[in-house]
Amino acid sequence: TQLLEQSPQFLSIQEGENLTVYCNSSSVFSSLQWYRQEPGEGPVLLVTVVTGGEVKKLKRLTFQFGDARKDSSLHITAAQPGDTGLYLCAGVYGNKLVFGAGTILRVKS
Amino acid sequence: KAGVTQTPRYLIKTRGQQVTLSCSPISGHRSVSWYQQTPGQGLQFLFEYFSETQRNKGNFPGRFSGRQFSNSRSEMNVSTLELGDSALYLCASSLAGTGGSSYGYTFGSGTRLTVV
Repeated sequence: TQLLEQSPQFLSIQEGENLTVYCNSSSVFSSLQWYRQEPGEGPVLLVTVVTGGEVKKLKRLTFQFGDARKDSSLHITAAQPGDTGLYLCAGVYGNKLVFGAGTILRVKS
Repeated sequence: KAGVTQTPRYLIKTRGQQVTLSCSPISGHRSVSWYQQTPGQGLQFLFEYFSETQRNKGNFPGRFSGRQFSNSRSEMNVSTLELGDSALYLCASSLAGTGGSSYGYTFGSGTRLTVV
């Protein structure tokens, strides 16, 4: 059982569609991070959310941290082929940065 | 500023051999963490070093070891390689690591290890 559960595991959509990726846990995190990884490369940090209820925007990406700091979501508006990749959420738990299994996003043109 | 540098990028080894991977963190970052990434298990934490001390260790056998030097560069060693050790090994650099989780981590491009 993953400490951080991500859903969906895989998402294939057309260019221009909207989507939401979820990251859930039964544990409280002081902060959660979102990364995007492309094939053959390391994950790249997109954002860190720290405060319960916090919403952060990065161009067409909107990140939200749950009020109880147990969950987070990533919403992409008008997805583009360049958004294709593996999206990972991560949080520090027991002095380790642990990752969810990730959501593979494929945006078709 | 220069990113996190991992060498080599690709490596092919035979079962039973040992391998050493290298990671140079971002200048000023004192925390270096290592991860193993496989399609089936995702990103699994190996260990974290901070100021030359191992701060935490994941659930990997003793064949996996690491160290950090005074300039924060880190090496990871795997002895007696097994087929199941084939994976992408990622190094992540951070200002404070798990001591300051809001900082985030910068990953290198990884070393793709194939054991045959």
